[in-house]
Amino acid sequence: GENVEQHPSTLSVQEGDSAVIKCTYSDSASNYFPWYKQELGKRPQLIIDIRSNVGEKKDQRIAVTLNKTAKHFSLHITETQPEDSAVYFCAASKGGTSYDKVIFGPGTSLSVIP
Amino acid sequence: DTEVTQTPKHLVMGMTNKKSLKCEQHMGHRAMYWYKQKAKKPPELMFVYSYEKLSINESVPSRFSPECPNSSLLNLHLHALQPEDSALYLCASRGTSGGSYEQYFGPGTRLTVT
Repeated sequence: GENVEQHPSTLSVQEGDSAVIKCTYSDSASNYFPWYKQELGKRPQLIIDIRSNVGEKKDQRIAVTLNKTAKHFSLHITETQPEDSAVYFCAASKGGTSYDKVIFGPGTSLSVIP
Repeated sequence: DTEVTQTPKHLVMGMTNKKSLKCEQHMGHRAMYWYKQKAKKPPELMFVYSYEKLSINESVPSRFSPECPNSSLLNLHLHALQPEDSALYLCASRGTSGGSYEQYFGPGTRLTVT
């Protein structure tokens, strides 16, 4: 089955700097890669996603890149702000079918220091 | 409306109690999920329902019993739980048509087993 690895497990950056979180997946059939942000005590919130037919996607300060050949994808957050502090989970799935699982990486705890 | 609702928000139960968690969505999604999440860990898949039928059971102990009465509702019946079952229980839903891939989470039920 699918296995998703995520690095680093913790990340601390100064406000205004960039943050990068990297994930790798094992199942070449996976075609959908969402990123979730989870603040303490709250639900995971989808912040950006990418499908396997796209190499890069950007939404304001957040961008995701995908390298299908190497089976890795990354989250880039620019101009970080204290409210970006949270746990971030990457995930992989075979999207588009009703039975597929969403496999999560172990998470990255991001701290943005004011 | 991209909202998934869950009740109750908090639940404290003894090991001999029987209780139920409820989840509801009105997005027309036909896939619904139960996850268990421990602190600072990723959501751990328990069950998947697709078109009101149980499609995935991740070897969950029988003290957890899911039920999908209709396409909008998902229940999780709890009986004879153990203290290690204390966790955040998350419900999620996902579209199954039109190339929909996104999974939306409810706010969760914080369960404490005493």
